[in-house]
Amino acid sequence: NAGVTQTPKFRVLKTGQSMTLLCAQDMNHEYMYWYRQDPGMGLRLIHYSVGEGTTAKGEVPDGYNVSRLKKQNFLLGLESAAPSQTSVYFCASSYRAGGGNEQFFGPGTRLTVL
Amino acid sequence: GQSLEQPSEVTAVEGAIVQINCTYQTSGFYGLSWYQQHDGGAPTFLSYNGLDGLEETGRFSSFLSRSDSYGYLLLQELQMKDSASYFCAVTLYSTLTFGKGTMLLVSP
Repeated sequence: NAGVTQTPKFRVLKTGQSMTLLCAQDMNHEYMYWYRQDPGMGLRLIHYSVGEGTTAKGEVPDGYNVSRLKKQNFLLGLESAAPSQTSVYFCASSYRAGGGNEQFFGPGTRLTVL
Repeated sequence: GQSLEQPSEVTAVEGAIVQINCTYQTSGFYGLSWYQQHDGGAPTFLSYNGLDGLEETGRFSSFLSRSDSYGYLLLQELQMKDSASYFCAVTLYSTLTFGKGTMLLVSP
């Protein structure tokens, strides 16, 4: 099993450009998450999905959109990138909700917006 | 909303015991989780406390006191490989809210 994979691993964008980050999991997990991590800020939830075809906003959703057309994939889109979106983006998945819902993380995408 | 406080950095020597504290303010949660992250890599799950008390997993233990809104991660017999960032997180129904993390530096 590959677990949670993310593509690309690195990306440099210019302000105003768009891009899509892809997250894939092969564990048949229902729940998927997108986080951003900035120095000294920990992990902050952007959007999440509780199942195929569903999405919900997290703590910092502005400037991002997501889609979950297939259970195994969760896409994060930036329509018009801004320097403030320079960050490391992590995708995660979990089997269930509730207590002890261990999240499995991907290796991250390092995005720089110039 | 939720907020969690943990020290930004802790230092210790190999073989020692270190405790990383986490205090939180939240309304309604399932429990407290701990994650480890090496050098900006993927965070990995360490432990979960759904009930008050101590949970032990090998060299690591985690504690929760809901009445004190407080928890901690205890690492025993520290090894160099334990140098990493440690995050506490409150478990809501579908999501986690993370603290800002504690960087643990283990020296020889």
